[in-house]
Amino acid sequence: GAGVSQSPSNKVTEKGKDVELRCDPISGHTALYWYRQSLGQGLEFLIYFQGNSAPDKSGLPSDRFSAERTGGSVSTLTIQRTQQEDSAVYLCASSPQGPSGNTIYFGEGSWLTVV
Amino acid sequence: QKEVEQDPGPLSVPEGAIVSLNCTYSNSAFQYFMWYRQYSRKGPELLMYTYSSGNKEDGRFTAQVDKSSKYISLFIRDSQPSDSATYLCAMGQGGSEKLVFGKGTKLTVNP
Repeated sequence: GAGVSQSPSNKVTEKGKDVELRCDPISGHTALYWYRQSLGQGLEFLIYFQGNSAPDKSGLPSDRFSAERTGGSVSTLTIQRTQQEDSAVYLCASSPQGPSGNTIYFGEGSWLTVV
Repeated sequence: QKEVEQDPGPLSVPEGAIVSLNCTYSNSAFQYFMWYRQYSRKGPELLMYTYSSGNKEDGRFTAQVDKSSKYISLFIRDSQPSDSATYLCAMGQGGSEKLVFGKGTKLTVNP
């Protein structure tokens, strides 16, 4: 597709379950980002990939959160043992290189609700 | 003090008004500044990108950066109902791929 694709678009899960969120970046974009947007909050940086490596994962809030990227393309964000405070929109973005000199393009997000 | 402060509004204006949106920041290392527009249940889309102090104009939109005051603005001229959205400021610094966002200002332009 032409844009950043995320799935699922909506997910309701029970507290304590694991969830996987998928991001398919724009073809050819080497940089990939995950951000989280909670109600009434700005976007919060989670992790940055350049190719398959993650030089900056400083925003992951706890060890329940992990992410990987394979083939320099698709990325998966995994949240283990979900908690109600994990309810948020998880936004993926990609860029040809990085935001310092380039536009980053966001997907429409995965809306996660933990009940 | 948060790194980036942005008044959440909401801001309601009549069609045709000039809109001023602002952010302040505390980190003097920020070098590049962006404004994003986010419609309801959509991802943010980049409106303006500026590097260092000064003005940048693109159609009805003008971005201003004042690094000495740590203050950035977005002006929207001849506002339209289609401009109704949440506007997010974002900033970054060299050597880091992380953007720091404001909380966003919700704007409604009434026809």
